[in-house]
Amino acid sequence: DTGVSQNPRHKITKRGQNVTFRCDPISEHNRLYWYRQTLGQGPEFLTYFQNEAQLEKSRLLSDRFSAERPKGSFSTLEIQRTEQGDSAMYLCASSSQGASYTFGSGTRLTVV
Amino acid sequence: DQQVKQNSPSLSVQEGRISILNCDYTNSMFDYFLWYKKYPAEGPTFLISISSIKDKNEDGRFTVFLNKSAKHLSLHIVPSQPGDSAVYFCAASALSSGNTGKLIFGQGTTLQVKP
Repeated sequence: DTGVSQNPRHKITKRGQNVTFRCDPISEHNRLYWYRQTLGQGPEFLTYFQNEAQLEKSRLLSDRFSAERPKGSFSTLEIQRTEQGDSAMYLCASSSQGASYTFGSGTRLTVV
Repeated sequence: DQQVKQNSPSLSVQEGRISILNCDYTNSMFDYFLWYKKYPAEGPTFLISISSIKDKNEDGRFTVFLNKSAKHLSLHIVPSQPGDSAVYFCAASALSSGNTGKLIFGQGTTLQVKP
C-alpha cells in the first residue's frame, strides 16, 4: 500500500471549463475526506464519505462542485464552470476511524 | 469565523533549541486536537494528537500540551533539527459530536530551524 494517491498532481484549466480530480485512498480505510487549501491558509473541509455514502458537505461546496465515491473505493471531485477563485490545492485524505488522517499529495488547480 | 487560530505565521529557532508552536481555539465542543506537518509539494503528515481528557502527550522529541480552560494548545519540539523545517498546522475535531472526523485547521506556522 503506497498511501493516498491523487491524480493529476497539477491541472491548469481555462475559466468556464470542467475539471475532475481522482483520489485513491488507502484500501482498508472506509472514511474519505476532501479539503481545499489556498495560499497562507490551512486546509478547509469540503466533504466526507463513509464507504460510498456522502455524509457531510461544507457550505464551501457550491452547486458547481460534486463528489462521488462509487463502491466505496476511489473518489472523484468535479468542478463545473471553473472560476479563478477555485484555484487552490485540493487535498484528499482517508482514515479507518477517528481523525488521524493520511493525506494525499494533493492536486494543484490553476484557473486562468 | 476562525475557530482554530495560529497567530504566529512564522518561527525561527537554532538547531538543538526548543521550538514552541502555539494554537488557540474557540469552540468548546472540540475534544480532539492534532498537529500536522507539511513540506512543500506534499500533503500534510500527521505528527501527534491529544484528547481533551489529557493535558499532555509525548512522542519522542514532540510534546503537545493542552490547556482547556484557556482553549490553548502548544507543540514543543526538543531538540529542534533542520529537518523539522516545515509548515505546522494545528487542527481540532469534535469527535463526541457525530464522530465524522472532520477537522478544522489553523492557518499554519512556518518553522525554520537554522543549523
